Amino acid sequence: DTEVTQTPKHLVMGMTNKKSLKCEQHMGHRAMYWYKQKAKKPPELMFVYSYEKLSINESVPSRFSPECPNSSLLNLHLHALQPEDSALYLCASSQKPASSYEQYFGPGTRLTVT
Amino acid sequence: AQSVTQLGSHVSVSEGALVLLRCNYSSSVPPYLFWYVQYPNQGLQLLLKYTSAATLVKGINGFEAEFKKSETSFHLTKPSAHMSDAAEYFCAVSDQRQAGTALIFGKGTTLSVSS
Repeated sequence: DTEVTQTPKHLVMGMTNKKSLKCEQHMGHRAMYWYKQKAKKPPELMFVYSYEKLSINESVPSRFSPECPNSSLLNLHLHALQPEDSALYLCASSQKPASSYEQYFGPGTRLTVT
Repeated sequence: AQSVTQLGSHVSVSEGALVLLRCNYSSSVPPYLFWYVQYPNQGLQLLLKYTSAATLVKGINGFEAEFKKSETSFHLTKPSAHMSDAAEYFCAVSDQRQAGTALIFGKGTTLSVSS
């Protein structure tokens, strides 16, 4: 089973709201990732968690706050977002945080900021 | 820094025709390369990966790719296109950094298949 699940599938939020995206995998993977994908563009890396510790932050604005409560779960907390933050947010995981390991992606959360 | 370039943002083929999607990489070390497919409003699905074990890599759905170091290429092919192959295809290279790994994607190629 190579499944990564993400909830919710769609999210509409105002600029003053606080919401969270959730990602889960039960493959025993020890690296988890958040990517942002705008329409007609490739995914762009936001954060990497290696062994439940934040290892890469691609200079993401502080209105995005990641959290890794355990090895199976990854959250992305959203606060005071801007309309330009509307995008598809993809979660991925890999067996280990090393180059040779492929990443498995979830279906994404389609976020609209109004 | 490692990077990939996908030549051709849009490729159109007829059903049953050969599919060829081009990817060239730039890397100072032996690269780990991947092809992913994305159907509308879905996440990315791994088609195949190159990790130096063999230069010709077979993936899912009849796709394969050949790693050519002399040409710094990793082109994706399929002998006979099917309507269901219409999607967005991304080539990616794995960028090992001190603190972790990042996938660097090409800009993508949209494959259209006509009957």
